[in-house]
Amino acid sequence: DAMVIQNPRYQVTQFGKPVTLSCSQTLNHNVMYWYQQKSSQAPKLLFHYYDKDFNNEADTPDNFQSRRPNTSFCFLDIRSPGLGDAAMYLCATSNSGFYNEQFFGPGTRLTVL
Amino acid sequence: GENVEQHPSTLSVQEGDSAVIKCTYSDSASNYFPWYKQELGKRPQLIIDIRSNVGEKKDQRIAVTLNKTAKHFSLHITETQPEDSAVYFCAANYGQNFVFGPGTRLSVLP
Repeated sequence: DAMVIQNPRYQVTQFGKPVTLSCSQTLNHNVMYWYQQKSSQAPKLLFHYYDKDFNNEADTPDNFQSRRPNTSFCFLDIRSPGLGDAAMYLCATSNSGFYNEQFFGPGTRLTVL
Repeated sequence: GENVEQHPSTLSVQEGDSAVIKCTYSDSASNYFPWYKQELGKRPQLIIDIRSNVGEKKDQRIAVTLNKTAKHFSLHITETQPEDSAVYFCAANYGQNFVFGPGTRLSVLP
């Protein structure tokens, strides 16, 4: 089945220790998104890729970086995680177009000790 | 940019009653409005969506209405069941992006 896959599902890291979260998709969608979602809040967009073009949200901290080496994969790098970065990180994909439904991965829950 | 407001933030209904959640958006260029249901610890699941060329859409117990002039859209759930209990998010597209409402926690009481 076509889907959006995130690895790992749970990640524990130490304060200040870099961490990378992975997202892959078999939908061949050209847009990939990373969201941060904290408890009881709406998903907050960090950035997205439209093909190879990277689009950063204005309020995304520099601590968050992303890479998209090919259509299928996208990575979220957190360079120096702080306690406030503990959250669920959701990857989503869509096809560019007039009505662009998003497909979400299962998320990675990040814990920062 | 786009701003999406959602009300109420919490909603409790008796099983079998209807539930209505309302959202407003600010950018008249938005043309696609999905609704997501999110259960605890799970991903948002698309339950219904509506496009700007349509005023209403229904799928079994779920319906969505859109008023482009007033820039608001609403989710209607009829004959609610305990399994409808979750957090519901509305969203509006903004270019290639989506802006989410803050969410409504729906509790269906047996």
